[in-house]
Amino acid sequence: DIVMTQSPDSLAVSPGERATINCKSSQSVLYSSNNKNHLAWYQQKPGQPPKLLIYWASTRESGVPDRFTGSGSGTDFTLTISSLQAEDVALYYCQQYYTTPFTFGGGTKVEIK
Amino acid sequence: QIQLQQSGPGLVKPSQTLSLTCAISGDTVSSISAAWTWIRQSPSRGLEWLGRTYYRSKWYNDYGVSVKSRITINPDASKNQFSLQLNSVSPDDTAVYYCARTLGPGFDYWGRGTLVTVSS
Repeated sequence: DIVMTQSPDSLAVSPGERATINCKSSQSVLYSSNNKNHLAWYQQKPGQPPKLLIYWASTRESGVPDRFTGSGSGTDFTLTISSLQAEDVALYYCQQYYTTPFTFGGGTKVEIK
Repeated sequence: QIQLQQSGPGLVKPSQTLSLTCAISGDTVSSISAAWTWIRQSPSRGLEWLGRTYYRSKWYNDYGVSVKSRITINPDASKNQFSLQLNSVSPDDTAVYYCARTLGPGFDYWGRGTLVTVSS
C-alpha cells in the first residue's frame, strides 16, 4: 500500500496569514501515461463528510476559492491556504488515487490563532 | 444535482454482518465513467478506503486488503443503489461509514455518513 504522511498534525495561523500543509507519499504518484500526479486534497468540518478541494495535485474543484493552492510532484505535495479565513478551520487530508487501495493521509488540523 | 442517500442500522452486534445501502440520485450506478465506493473513518484508522464497484461493459469490484475476506459491495441497477456488507464484525469496525462517487480524480460526492457501532 502507498503510505501518505502529512505534516504537521496541527497548526494555528492568524487570520489573513498563510497556512501550509505537507503530504508525502511512500512512492511516486506521478502516472507516466498521463504525466499527472494522482493526488487529491480534502477539507473536512465537524459532522460533515470530506469535501474535495484539489485533484491532479493542483486543479481546484469547481467553487473552491482561489486562496487554496495545491503544488508538488512525485512524492512531495503541499496545500497552501494563502490568506486564512475563519471558515477554513477544518481538518485537511491528502489522498492518492494512483493505485488501489486508495489511501489517505492522517490529517492536519488547521485552527485560528 | 448528485446526491447519495445512505441507510442502514447504526448498531451491530459482534460477529454479525454490517449492511448499508447508498441510493444514488442524479447519476446511475451503471455509469461507465463512475466508480461507487465505501470509505470509513475512525479515530484509530483515520480515513480508510474499503472498496468499490464499477461498470465497464461488466461489473468489477476492488476491495481493501484489511477487509478483503469479509466485504462485499453489490450494485443494484434496478434501484440505482449499491450496498456494503461486512461480515464477522468486531468493535474495531466501529466507524462512520461513507459512500462516495469517483470519476477518477478524487471522490467528488459523498453521503452524509452513518455511524455504525459494533457492540453487544
